[in-house]
Amino acid sequence: AQKITQTQPGMFVQEKEAVTLDCTYDTSDQSYGLFWYKQPSSGEMIFLIYQGSYDEQNATEGRYSLNFQKARKSANLVISASQLGDSAMYFCASSNTDKLIFGTGTRLQVFP
Amino acid sequence: GAVVSQHPSWVICKSGTSVKIECRSLDFQATTMFWYRQFPKQSLMLMATSNEGSKATYEQGVEKDKFLINHASLTLSTLTVTSAHPEDSSFYICSARAIRERSYNEQFFGPGTRLTVL
Repeated sequence: AQKITQTQPGMFVQEKEAVTLDCTYDTSDQSYGLFWYKQPSSGEMIFLIYQGSYDEQNATEGRYSLNFQKARKSANLVISASQLGDSAMYFCASSNTDKLIFGTGTRLQVFP
Repeated sequence: GAVVSQHPSWVICKSGTSVKIECRSLDFQATTMFWYRQFPKQSLMLMATSNEGSKATYEQGVEKDKFLINHASLTLSTLTVTSAHPEDSSFYICSARAIRERSYNEQFFGPGTRLTVL
């Protein structure tokens, strides 16, 4: 069974600064995927970034990058140049089949 | 592209009534749709996986007779909460997986439905 752990219930960051949101995973599968989603207060789940277990390069999507350390089973999300609109819940998730298994989330608040 | 809609966006009902929530993929065909439930300040918990034309697969602990799922077409899945009670009040979110070549399980999420049972 897969398990996702997000140890930071809340994080604060000043606008324009970078922030790292932690995620560790536990799986015995060789092939799996790791995802990050953003959930604003409105509730919709917004896909941010994906990392495959066999990908050698860390994934990047604009201001988002995923710091993938396979041996440590961590998949931290780095948001560069934070914006006020980045304030939201952030969920890490893993998948090895059709199912997505989510972590408990981190609430990020960006202040001016 | 890859838009998923849900209807209604919110619903308030009396205890004992049934509520149907629709999930539609608007611009793609979905082989598989997923239903999640999210309680306040908690994570998304997968309730069931539905494939077009077949019975849904429910996660452990989810009552299939209470949460009826129908996936009648490649663009529509419905979740019916039967005999709803206040403890069923939650945020229900669907997602859809597209029929296309992808190296990973890409799911597109609907905007969610907030159910309040009085």
